[in-house]
Amino acid sequence: AQTVTQSQPEMSVQEAETVTLSCTYDTSENNYYLFWYKQPPSRQMILVIRQEAYKQQNATENRFSVNFQKAAKSFSLKISDSQLGDTAMYFCAFIIQGAQKLVFGQGTRLTINP
Amino acid sequence: DTGVSQDPRHKITKRGQNVTFRCDPISEHNRLYWYRQTLGQGPEFLTYFQNEAQLEKSRLLSDRFSAERPKGSFSTLEIQRTEQGDSAMYLCASSPGQGAYYSPLHFGNGTRLTVT
Repeated sequence: AQTVTQSQPEMSVQEAETVTLSCTYDTSENNYYLFWYKQPPSRQMILVIRQEAYKQQNATENRFSVNFQKAAKSFSLKISDSQLGDTAMYFCAFIIQGAQKLVFGQGTRLTINP
Repeated sequence: DTGVSQDPRHKITKRGQNVTFRCDPISEHNRLYWYRQTLGQGPEFLTYFQNEAQLEKSRLLSDRFSAERPKGSFSTLEIQRTEQGDSAMYLCASSPGQGAYYSPLHFGNGTRLTVT
């Protein structure tokens, strides 16, 4: 079975701090993509960052970066210099090569406090 | 790019009634997806279309659920004889080209269904 586990249901940090969200996944496939999606209170899910499994270099998008550990099947998201607008649910997800179905974790509710 | 549009935003219905939701994807996107998100959980895949063809359905999509995309543009998701367990957010997403593995999904705001 393909599963995604986010072990932190809620997190809260002060504005400008750095925060890391954890994600582990399980698949027997070798080729897949990993994603972090953000779902703000307005509900529209937005892609934050994605990582191809065959790439060893960790993906970075401005203040967002990942720590991808393929052997450990771990894919954490680091948000640097956090901003109030980062307050949202964050979902880790993956998709195996050739598939159309994303498998999502349960989400982490992140609150950035002023 | 006007984004993925879903209608209605909220729907309250009584158990046993039928409901229909609509999704308008980004116009040039040939792939369309439906997901269901219950409270405190991540989205779960329901079904997906390539143009007008429904190519994959989840076991979650019981025979009370039917989805269509008649002209390869908008899609409808109908739930017949609704049950309280159907209460959830129903998310639509679209993607261009070869679909979700190669191109990130663009999600709509969702339709929140409450069955009383």
